[in-house]
Amino acid sequence: NAGVTQTPKFQVLKTGQSMTLQCAQDMNHNSMYWYRQDPGMGLRLIYYSASEGTTDKGEVPNGYNVSRLNKREFSLRLESAAPSQTSVYFCAAELAGGYEQYFGPGTRLTVT
Amino acid sequence: SQKIEQNSEALNIQEGKTATLTCNYTNYSPAYLQWYRQDPGRGPVFLLLIRENEKEKRKERLKVTFDTTLKQSLFHITASQPADSATYLCALEGDSGYSTLTFGKGTMLLVSP
Repeated sequence: NAGVTQTPKFQVLKTGQSMTLQCAQDMNHNSMYWYRQDPGMGLRLIYYSASEGTTDKGEVPNGYNVSRLNKREFSLRLESAAPSQTSVYFCAAELAGGYEQYFGPGTRLTVT
Repeated sequence: SQKIEQNSEALNIQEGKTATLTCNYTNYSPAYLQWYRQDPGRGPVFLLLIRENEKEKRKERLKVTFDTTLKQSLFHITASQPADSATYLCALEGDSGYSTLTFGKGTMLLVSP
């Protein structure tokens, strides 16, 4: 039972490149989330998926897209990376709204 | 929009003492509040959830209070140990319409032997 897994762990991109961050959970949870964490800013919600087949914007969605491929997987895509997207990205899963969230280990992304 | 404040300065205490961390919030009345622990290079780990109709919640050496009048939560670790050293995050039910979380920036706790 791995909980929430994220790939890759580290990534370096050049400005303008694209990439997809992968997240999977084996807890059969309904809700999944993508956050970014920057020094001095705390965790900020990018996008979330309350249930399979639905996605919604969070606090900082610009420059990102998401796909809830199935109940287990929720991916985050950067179409044209910018230096401002240098951050640590966390995926989380939650049984349903109002419960505790389980976080993955994070992806450290650097955009040069 | 809602605002969450946690002490940005690190809290230094001696092993065995009680650590008390504060979370203040404004512009909202959340139905619940959560506390997470985050170690360097790792994702946050859930510790406790307290709902608006609960004044206090305990789990082993941890205690959380929730004062909806003061708009404040206090997080206590009794008999603190060096292994308790970490950053502690407060999170409130968001005001977006669905039960998302809004996180505070966290307070670092350092417990010295």
